[in-house]
Amino acid sequence: GAVVSQHPSWVICKSGTSVKIECRSLDFQATTMFWYRQFPKQSLMLMATSNEGSKATYEQGVEKDKFLINHASLTLSTLTVTSAHPEDSSFYICSARDPQGGQPQHFGDGTRLSIL
Amino acid sequence: DAKTTQPPSMDCAEGRAANLPCNHSTISGNEYVYWYRQIHSQGPQYIIHGLKNNETNEMASLIITEDRKSSTLILPHATLRDTAVYYCIVRVEVDKIIFGKGTRLHILP
Repeated sequence: GAVVSQHPSWVICKSGTSVKIECRSLDFQATTMFWYRQFPKQSLMLMATSNEGSKATYEQGVEKDKFLINHASLTLSTLTVTSAHPEDSSFYICSARDPQGGQPQHFGDGTRLSIL
Repeated sequence: DAKTTQPPSMDCAEGRAANLPCNHSTISGNEYVYWYRQIHSQGPQYIIHGLKNNETNEMASLIITEDRKSSTLILPHATLRDTAVYYCIVRVEVDKIIFGKGTRLHILP
C-alpha cells in the first residue's frame, strides 16, 4: 500500500540552528502534503498545506518565516524549522493524499525534534 | 466544518470487543466518517471509513446510524496492541484533516 516516509525520525539540535525534515511519498505522487505538530498529550495540530510548485498555505498563528516549507517535486516536501529554540521541540508529522486511494491521508511516522 | 464529539478515554478488557462512539450531528450528506488511531510516538494509522452503510475490514467494523448523526467503531477482539488514541473524523474540504482530541483507549490485561 501507499507509504509516506519521514526523515529523520529523531533529531537533537542546539538552540539557534535550523533543522530540515523530509517527507516523501514512496509509491504515489502527491501534489499536496500536510504538516502537523503535536505536543505531549495533545492532539495533532495542522500547521500548513504544502503545494507542489507553489507556496505553502499556513494555518492561522503559524509563522511562515519560522517554518519554511518547500514542495519541489511530486514526492518530496521539506519542513525547515529556522533558528530553532526549545519551545519548537515537538513531534512533527507529515501526511499526503494518494489521488488513487480511498484514504484521505497517509501519515508518516513523525519526527521528534528536541532543541537544547 | 462538521465536528465530532468523542469520550476522552475508555477502558476495555483484552479479548473483549471495544466499542468507541462518535457523535457528528452536523455531518453533511456527502461527508464520510473516517477513523484513525495513533499509537504512542507514531503517526496516525488509517482504520476504516464509511458513508451510510456499515463497513467491515480486517481491523474493525464501523456502524453508522441511519440518521448519520453518530457512529461506533468496533474492535472485535481487542489486544494490548490496540491501546492508542482513536480519532473520529468527518472529511472536511478536499484534503485537510482537522483532528479533535480523540478517545484514549486502554486495553486492560
